[in-house]
Amino acid sequence: DQQVKQNSPSLSVQEGRISILNCDYTNSMFDYFLWYKKYPAEGPTFLISISSIKDKNEDGRFTVFLNKSAKHLSLHIVPSQPGDSAVYFCAASASGTSYGKLTFGQGTILTVHP
Amino acid sequence: NAGVMQNPRHLVRRRGQEARLRCSPMKGHSHVYWYRQLPEEGLKFMVYLQKENIIDESGMPKERFSAEFPKEGPSILRIQQVVRGDSAAYFCASSPYRDTNEKLFFGSGTQLSVL
Repeated sequence: DQQVKQNSPSLSVQEGRISILNCDYTNSMFDYFLWYKKYPAEGPTFLISISSIKDKNEDGRFTVFLNKSAKHLSLHIVPSQPGDSAVYFCAASASGTSYGKLTFGQGTILTVHP
Repeated sequence: NAGVMQNPRHLVRRRGQEARLRCSPMKGHSHVYWYRQLPEEGLKFMVYLQKENIIDESGMPKERFSAEFPKEGPSILRIQQVVRGDSAAYFCASSPYRDTNEKLFFGSGTQLSVL
């Protein structure tokens, strides 16, 4: 049972353009959402997060949007850079779980072309 | 400040052998998590440990898998009598305190291949 889904296995974008990565979830108990970035042969690194009490969180070029009614979140990267090429994982944490027990999506491979 | 160290990076085992994966958390971190990533899937939570205690092992298979985080030394994920389905990337993460989500620091993982 895949509770967090990233339906696009890959995304290709031109440098300077916007990258939009999408994520859907099914568990209504999820109240905290995160995006991780992973380069080959490395572990995931935290990118940005959002609490369910917000619908938007911004950090530099990265913005995460949360639509609770649709159980959908998205990560926007503007402008995209070749160094952003990586696998992006959406992850969620359930209410009442204050520690790092996360449910991850399958990941989306982002390729940014110069 | 060294990051989370996992070794070995690659481990090859034949069916029926034992696999031991090691994780040294970042300095000052006493909370350790193990995640497994099967091919074409996301990371799946296995276990959460503090020094000498297993806090949440709800993601651990019931048999053959065990984890420990002793007072001294690294955390160990042990898989007995490995099967081909155990082939995966195993990631360890650490954090400085319990109440955290994004403050997880991941190691580079151990790629286990079972022949």
